[in-house]
Amino acid sequence: DSGVTQTPKHLITATGQRVTLRCSPRSGDLSVYWYQQSLDQGLQFLIQYYNGEERAKGNILERFSAQQFPDLHSELNLSSLELGDSALYFCASSPPVAGTDTQYFGPGTRLTVL
Amino acid sequence: AQTVTQSQPEMSVQEAETVTLSCTYDTSESDYYLFWYKQPPSRQMILVIRQEAYKQQNATENRFSVNFQKAAKSFSLKISDSQLGDAAMYFCAYRSPWISNFGNEKLTFGTGTRLTIIP
Repeated sequence: DSGVTQTPKHLITATGQRVTLRCSPRSGDLSVYWYQQSLDQGLQFLIQYYNGEERAKGNILERFSAQQFPDLHSELNLSSLELGDSALYFCASSPPVAGTDTQYFGPGTRLTVL
Repeated sequence: AQTVTQSQPEMSVQEAETVTLSCTYDTSESDYYLFWYKQPPSRQMILVIRQEAYKQQNATENRFSVNFQKAAKSFSLKISDSQLGDAAMYFCAYRSPWISNFGNEKLTFGTGTRLTIIP
């Protein structure tokens, strides 16, 4: 158990819908990262938050947004869902100080868009 | 931008034998971190081993060790005494160091190697 939690584990929805994925980082970790793992794209970085502020953006679609709350949990919002958004979405967290480089992954949320 | 290449989509090894998974990367940075993550059928991403680029010594974790060749930009994973529980996808990953105002600490992954253990 990495200490990172993600809910829900599975999500099945229809095209055009909107969903919210939730992540709670390990205790004390200030950085949260979101990654998408799809069959044909591998693991891709979406976005990073650090202590409530967006720190880096990767290949995140405009239909997707995220935020990190004062209690440091993070939510990834996916809207106008398309079939191609079906994937495993991981959240990872890492400690707040320089030199602590390891990211610890949650169990992931499997999103299926029908 | 950094890239990570795993040229072996699939590997297999007999139980109790040794196997080496290959990874190469491309970067212009002198300081960075390299990781191997394991993804079993449960799909959980599990850290296997990490290497800091400024350290000459190869990292080891029990039956897992790496061969880090900085000049060649190569980072291979050796699994000794392979066990059935080692069967998984293995991902090599690269990360830039934390710089206070830089914001480039994402992991860049290779495409993975599926390891099968033959009983």
